Amino acid sequence: DGGITQSPKYLFRKEGQNVTLSCEQNLNHDAMYWYRQDPGQGLRLIYYSQIVNDFQKGDIAEGYSVSREKKESFPLTVTSAQKNPTAFYLCASSTRQGPGTEAFFGQGTRLTVV
Amino acid sequence: DAKTTQPTSMDCAEGRAANLPCNHSTISGNEYVYWYRQIHSQGPQYIIHGLKNNETNEMASLIITEDRKSSTLILPHATLRDTAVYYCIVRVRDDKIIFGKGTRLHILP
Repeated sequence: DGGITQSPKYLFRKEGQNVTLSCEQNLNHDAMYWYRQDPGQGLRLIYYSQIVNDFQKGDIAEGYSVSREKKESFPLTVTSAQKNPTAFYLCASSTRQGPGTEAFFGQGTRLTVV
Repeated sequence: DAKTTQPTSMDCAEGRAANLPCNHSTISGNEYVYWYRQIHSQGPQYIIHGLKNNETNEMASLIITEDRKSSTLILPHATLRDTAVYYCIVRVRDDKIIFGKGTRLHILP
């Protein structure tokens, strides 16, 4: 089935370690997004990419990095520079053409840094 | 920043229609209105979107005012499974997606 997959669902890391969150889609979507959600809060945009080999910072990009080497993949690295990395991370993708450009979301990765 | 204003929370009795308002007074002519919902601890789910005409699908109806400065999402027969946070978003079709705080809808048995 077509969809967007995030892995792992739960991730634990020690403070000071970098960690990479995976996001893969087989929907042939051009655009991909990463969001962070803290308890009881809305989604905040970290990075987005509208085409392969190109990406832009969102509202809270500091302490994060991304790459977009393939259309299907948009991994997010949470670096040691991110001061409060514990959060729920959501990846999404959308087409940029046609009648519907709604975003499809993965089920998220819950990162806990101890 | 989000370009929309929504009530923080709303209640609706099970089986009744849930009407969720959204204010987007600064919407521009090429911006669409999108609605998503997020059930606890899951990824958001797309519901419906529209430009200026009213829209209906199997999940909901979207009513956009003639001046496009506000809209209402209607869930015709709310069930307990519709308890979620509902987000109203305005965006140009292929632009980045910015979420606001949304409306927390409680369906009461």
